[in-house]
Amino acid sequence: QVQLQESGPGLVKPSQTLSLTCTVSAGSFSSGSYSWNWIRQPAGKGLEWIGRIFTSGSSSYNPSLKSRVTISLDTSKNQFSLKMSSVTAADTAVYYCASALAGTTESFDFWGQGTLVTVSS
Amino acid sequence: DIQMTQSPSSLSASVGDRVTITCQASQDINNYLNWYQQEPGKPPKLLIYDASNLETGVPSRFSGSGSGTDFTFTIGSLQPEDIATYYCQQYDDLPRTFGQGTKLEIK
Repeated sequence: QVQLQESGPGLVKPSQTLSLTCTVSAGSFSSGSYSWNWIRQPAGKGLEWIGRIFTSGSSSYNPSLKSRVTISLDTSKNQFSLKMSSVTAADTAVYYCASALAGTTESFDFWGQGTLVTVSS
Repeated sequence: DIQMTQSPSSLSASVGDRVTITCQASQDINNYLNWYQQEPGKPPKLLIYDASNLETGVPSRFSGSGSGTDFTFTIGSLQPEDIATYYCQQYDDLPRTFGQGTKLEIK
């Protein structure tokens, strides 16, 4: 069972950088079989995949956000992080981190509880 | 991007009813499709993977079918605890994309 927990500021000013961290339960993070993902959900709306990183360091991003997003990892702390620059009110959402067991099949099998980030001055 | 179109966007049904949700992909995604349930204020929960495989611990009243571009999610006998929003999601290609969701309510 993988456990994930998001942390970070709940309020970010417009044009600034959103920074979130996801802490993963020990024993799971070093497995090369998982990808570590960020997904967001504006209030009352659907789910948007932001991007992912493997413990190898390989990352992929949603083209709609790619110019503003960086996902990185800190294996010594069992954490991966999201940075999103130049935020606007449209980036206000609940942000989830999620794991996906990669291979012939892939699904977001474990999720954090989510953290609400509001972009406002 | 692969577009995932779910229908209906909302659905009202009675306890015991058979409920069906459809999901159409904008291109062939083989069977690379998952279904999630999201209760208010909670993260999504995986129910079905690879279009038709039931995740461990998920009640057998939930099922999925389909391949290619057209997929179906079924609740065999609706229970009060099934009130939630349901999403399909493809993993055939990047970026991963979700359907817009189907909000299920009890009559």
